[in-house]
Amino acid sequence: GESVGLHLPTLSVQEGDNSIINCAYSNSASDYFIWYKQESGKGPQFIIDIRSNMDKRQGQRVTVLLNKTVKHLSLQIAATQPGDSAVYFCAEGRASGGSYIPTFGRGTSLIVHP
Amino acid sequence: DTGVSQNPRHKITKRGQNVTFRCDPISEHNRLYWYRQTLGQGPEFLTYFQNEAQLEKSRLLSDRFSAERPKGSFSTLEIQRTEQGDSAMYLCASSLVPGRETQYFGPGTRLLVL
Repeated sequence: GESVGLHLPTLSVQEGDNSIINCAYSNSASDYFIWYKQESGKGPQFIIDIRSNMDKRQGQRVTVLLNKTVKHLSLQIAATQPGDSAVYFCAEGRASGGSYIPTFGRGTSLIVHP
Repeated sequence: DTGVSQNPRHKITKRGQNVTFRCDPISEHNRLYWYRQTLGQGPEFLTYFQNEAQLEKSRLLSDRFSAERPKGSFSTLEIQRTEQGDSAMYLCASSLVPGRETQYFGPGTRLLVL
């Protein structure tokens, strides 16, 4: 579960394992979701997105699963590498002016041990 | 480097002073966004521009904050009469609309108000 204050939920894995990062969203009308990776001292980096008319989308080593029934999103990272260590944010896309503005969740810290 | 750039990367100021940050988006991108991120939280949307026009402002953007994008290229974010609560990372992102919704983030400007 989530911690209060400054402490992010943390997932620790061994190099080579698969990682699953979970996210619950609040707005049942949301139709676009994005996962971002943020390394220390850097801005968020787009990883993968998914629209609500899909329940799964795959990228390179990453898969996003969407369960609209329970308003849950997950990011699966295959064969996790030390370079995957970062904070991962899921975001709901809020429609604005023909595009989307992401509303970010709190984030999960992924620590990959060599 | 053809990514989003922000200057300065760090700014320390005393309470009550004014500060200005600059963002240079990816050159062909017509949309530019400003976000604020505090420690342990995801980025929060502040405002965005399409070309020169400021299309949306968050309620987080108090009257001490002003953003401009005079020529539709770079943007500035000014905070007047800074308060300690303004201490945060200020992130800029850009995107091309219509087209992919992907926002590309800069490295941010970290502001510390003493």
